Amino acid sequence: QSVLTQPPSVSGAPGQRVTISCTGTSSNIGARYDVHWYQQLPGTAPKLLIYGNINRPAGVPDRFSGSKSDTSASLAISGLQAEDEADYYCSSYTITSTPYVFGTGSKVTVL
Amino acid sequence: EVQLLESGGGLVQPGGSLRLSCAVSGFTFTNFIMSWVRQPPGEGLEWVSAISGSGGSTFYADSVKGRFTISRDNSKNTMYLQMKSLRAEDTAVYYCAKTIGAAGFDYWGQGTLVTVSS
Repeated sequence: QSVLTQPPSVSGAPGQRVTISCTGTSSNIGARYDVHWYQQLPGTAPKLLIYGNINRPAGVPDRFSGSKSDTSASLAISGLQAEDEADYYCSSYTITSTPYVFGTGSKVTVL
Repeated sequence: EVQLLESGGGLVQPGGSLRLSCAVSGFTFTNFIMSWVRQPPGEGLEWVSAISGSGGSTFYADSVKGRFTISRDNSKNTMYLQMKSLRAEDTAVYYCAKTIGAAGFDYWGQGTLVTVSS
């Protein structure tokens, strides 16, 4: 069961900037645990996109950026491109019996 | 190059058992927590289980506790997931993932499909 809430879908025209929110609670994001983001292209495994709230692994374009505040986090995609059409998930650590939790997922559509 | 390769998925009847394997290469296996994450068809990601580098500590999602057992053989650079008393709701693609503590999952396998159906 996901305890991190994301909007089901987000869309934008090529070149635009879109943001995806990830809302948690005092048991996860609000407990000062880092948030991480994953991109899942159709038919493929998830890929780490942002780790530690704001950091990009090698090879991830700087069009992708992350932020965190209180009990929520956001992923921003600037200069939206057709290849960015994918599902995006956030994740965090949690102090409950289940140590790791994912967001509900957001589908990004490029218009 | 880091590589993770799952195997062992397939069709199993409700109540049956299955063992998944995850063979890894490209990093020092014993230094890292490893996890299983699943994704039911058309749905989102669900963390299932994790195991410490030594294998001495294991963690499970409530939905699989008591039915699934995670283990690893560091001499073979391989992690396992023994699944028993399988239910229809366990149907999913199962991914193994290299885990960096509280920092998430930095490498994933390609996944193996488990289908529980009569």
